[in-house]
Amino acid sequence: QITLKESGPTLVKHTQTLTLTCTVSGLSLSTSGVGVGWIRQAPGKALEWLALIYWNDDRRYSPSLKSRLAITKGTSENQVVLRMTNMDPADTATYYCARCITATGRKEFDYWGQGTLVTVSS
Amino acid sequence: QSVLTQPPSASGTPGQRVTISCSGSSSNIGSNTVSWYQQLPGTAPKLLFYNNNKRPSGVPDRFSGSKSGTSASLAISGLQSEDEADYYCAAWDDSLNGVVFGGGTKLTV
Repeated sequence: QITLKESGPTLVKHTQTLTLTCTVSGLSLSTSGVGVGWIRQAPGKALEWLALIYWNDDRRYSPSLKSRLAITKGTSENQVVLRMTNMDPADTATYYCARCITATGRKEFDYWGQGTLVTVSS
Repeated sequence: QSVLTQPPSASGTPGQRVTISCSGSSSNIGSNTVSWYQQLPGTAPKLLFYNNNKRPSGVPDRFSGSKSGTSASLAISGLQSEDEADYYCAAWDDSLNGVVFGGGTKLTV
């Protein structure tokens, strides 16, 4: 059974750095064709893709947020960490991690975590 | 403003068929596959279709997906009350070098 779970602070202050951890079970982060992505959703808004790390450590970032994001595999083999700097109240959202199945021309998120709501105070 | 364009809302009565469109461009839908996600109220998104029209196990065959050129569609036949949710399309964008989502369509049954 594949599960993903997000963890991290529920409240951060304006200009602080947010660090979120995605802990996965039932899947290997080194399996070819597999990645883990982060997607967020502001209250009442659409899904917004943030970052993706592949099995081979290749990484991709949303162009609009690239300067503020860093995605890495954690010290534990089953964790992926997202860091977002200079947090702003506009970054208040539910942050999801999800497994990504990737191939040429194809990306889909087939397993999702429950999400974690992060509120940024001014 | 989302890269992929969806109607903000759609509606139908039980038993009806409803279609949700997703419009993109040559750099995303035109050259890559489309996935669809269903988000029930207060829950995480769930993969509904991948590779344009492939259903993961457990997704009823009342749901169908298609793609033509730079557009894609999600169709739901035999509409049920439990289909009331937000639906999102997504695809890889070669120009942006990232995943793009549609703005979402709220389906009311």
